[in-house]
Order: sequence, then structure tokens, then C-alpha cells
Amino acid sequence: DTEVTQTPKHLVMGMTNKKSLKCEQHMGHRAMYWYKQKAKKPPELMFVYSYEKLSINESVPSRFSPECPNSSLLNLHLHALQPEDSALYLCASSQGAVAGKLKGNQPQHFGDGTRLSIL
Amino acid sequence: AQTVTQSQPEMSVQEAETVTLSCTYDTSESDYYLFWYKQPPSRQMILVIRQEAYKQQNATENRFSVNFQKAAKSFSLKISDSQLGDAAMYFCAYRRHFNKFYFGSGTKLNVKP
Repeated sequence: DTEVTQTPKHLVMGMTNKKSLKCEQHMGHRAMYWYKQKAKKPPELMFVYSYEKLSINESVPSRFSPECPNSSLLNLHLHALQPEDSALYLCASSQGAVAGKLKGNQPQHFGDGTRLSIL
Repeated sequence: AQTVTQSQPEMSVQEAETVTLSCTYDTSESDYYLFWYKQPPSRQMILVIRQEAYKQQNATENRFSVNFQKAAKSFSLKISDSQLGDAAMYFCAYRRHFNKFYFGSGTKLNVKP
């Protein structure tokens, strides 16, 4: 069983729809991540939240809007997506690092992902 | 920018044999961490093994071990006694501070019975 839970597992939506992806972890991790992964490619970082604040935005289009309501939850709000946005969206968490201070060798823990298809 | 290179897009190994997956990285930092992740068709990314750059001793986890060559910026993964369940995509990853992880392009490992 994964310690990072993502819902839904599959999502099909039209280009005009608004939907949200959800991610939850209860490991006390203070860094949470959204990745986009195309088939047979590595995950591409989209956003990083550190201590509930957005610390990294990898120039992601504004049709993707992240939200971190508390230390356990991470959402990704979707609006007016394009067909090329169809992909596997992975959430991950780690113990995190404060700027300038690397916090150990803690890996990321990944969820099972949401398979998103844009019609 | 940090780069992680996996030069083998796909590899095959016979069950019970040993295989080595290669990974090189580029960094000017002295303090960092390296990881190997496995992603089976079920799609969850699973940590296989990790290595601290300040440790000279190579990490080992059961049948999985690494050959970490800091000067050469090389971090290869050796899988001994390969099993059918080892078939997956393997990603090498580099972690710097500010929480950012860098992934290589991946190596698809096939295990033949």
C-alpha cells in the first residue's frame, strides 16, 4: 500500500471542464511535489511546496493551479486543459529541506498517480 | 543546470543473472544525494536504493548495490540474481537542496525467464 494517496486514479475531461486532483500523506512530510509524466519518459517537475508555501514553479501554464491547504494535502486544479496535457500526474512527498540546509538523504515517496485524458 | 544521464534506454537480463544499469550526473556541488527508483507497469515510483555523496562506502540493499564513483560522477546500479519482478523502468535521480530532484531519462529493464 502506498503512503501517498492520490485521487482519482483515472480522469477523463473535456477542454472546457474544471476538475481537481488530490493528494494526501500522513507521514509528517513538509515538502510535496507535483510531477507530470508522459509515457516512457521521466517525471517532469511541475511544483514544489515546502512548509505549505509554493517554493518552485517550473514555468507551468496557468491552466494548472496548485494548492496546499495544509501540511497533509496537496491539490492540483485544472481548467481549460489541452490535449497535450494528457499524462500521468504524480504526487510525491519528502521530509523537505529549508533553503540552504539539506535535510538528510530522505527520498521522495510517490503516489500511484492520476491518469489524465483530455478529450 | 544539473543533468542526469542514463545512456541505456533498454536492457535485458536472464533470470538469476546479474545486470548493471549506468548513470552519470553533472554537478559542481560536493554535498548531494543519489537515488535509484523503479517504476513497474503499475506506475508507482518505488525507491530502490540511495547513496550519500559524503559516504565512500557503496550502498547495498539485498540484491541491489551501487558503484558510486564520486570523482567520475558515476552511480551505477547492480542487480544480482535478477527476478521477473525486477522488470520495470529504472530512474536514477540526483537531489540538491531546495527540494529539487533531477531524474535521468530511464532504463527499461526486461527480465527473461
